[in-house]
Amino acid sequence: TQLLEQSPQFLSIQEGENLTVYCNSSSVFSSLQWYRQEPGEGPVLLVTVVTGGEVKKLKRLTFQFGDARKDSSLHITAAQPGDTGLYLCAGIHGSGNTGKLIFGQGTTLQVKP
Amino acid sequence: KAGVTQTPRYLIKTRGQQVTLSCSPISGHRSVSWYQQTPGQGLQFLFEYFSETQRNKGNFPGRFSGRQFSNSRSEMNVSTLELGDSALYLCASSLAAGNEQFFGPGTRLTVL
Repeated sequence: TQLLEQSPQFLSIQEGENLTVYCNSSSVFSSLQWYRQEPGEGPVLLVTVVTGGEVKKLKRLTFQFGDARKDSSLHITAAQPGDTGLYLCAGIHGSGNTGKLIFGQGTTLQVKP
Repeated sequence: KAGVTQTPRYLIKTRGQQVTLSCSPISGHRSVSWYQQTPGQGLQFLFEYFSETQRNKGNFPGRFSGRQFSNSRSEMNVSTLELGDSALYLCASSLAAGNEQFFGPGTRLTVL
């Protein structure tokens, strides 16, 4: 059973479309992180959300942390082919410095020109 | 500032062999974590080291082990390789647990 469930798992859209990726859990997380991974590379951190209800924007990307800190979403406006990649949400499970970073299964996004 | 480096980048082994992978963290980072990434299971946490001590461990069999040296470089070892160990093994470093993690490019292990 995945602690963090991401949906959808695959998404193929046309350039210019909007999309939303969801990351859900039954557990409360002190923070959630979103990463993007391109083929042949390791994941790169996009953002960390910490406060329930928090919204962060990174150019055309909008990240939201649920009020109860159990879920998060990533919305991309006017997707570009350069947005293609694997999007991963992750949260620290456990307390303090001994928590381990748990990842969702990931959402593979393909943006066609 | 140099990023996280992992060697080798690609490795092919046969069942029953053992393998050692290496990770050099970003200078000044003392926490090193290892992950296994497969299409079916996604990114799974293996273990985390801080100042040469294993602080956390994932749900992997004892065939998976690791260590960290005084210069923060880390190695992970997999003994008695199985076909299912074929995966991308990622190393990430951070100043401390819970801080932003910086990932290396990974080592692609194929077990035949």
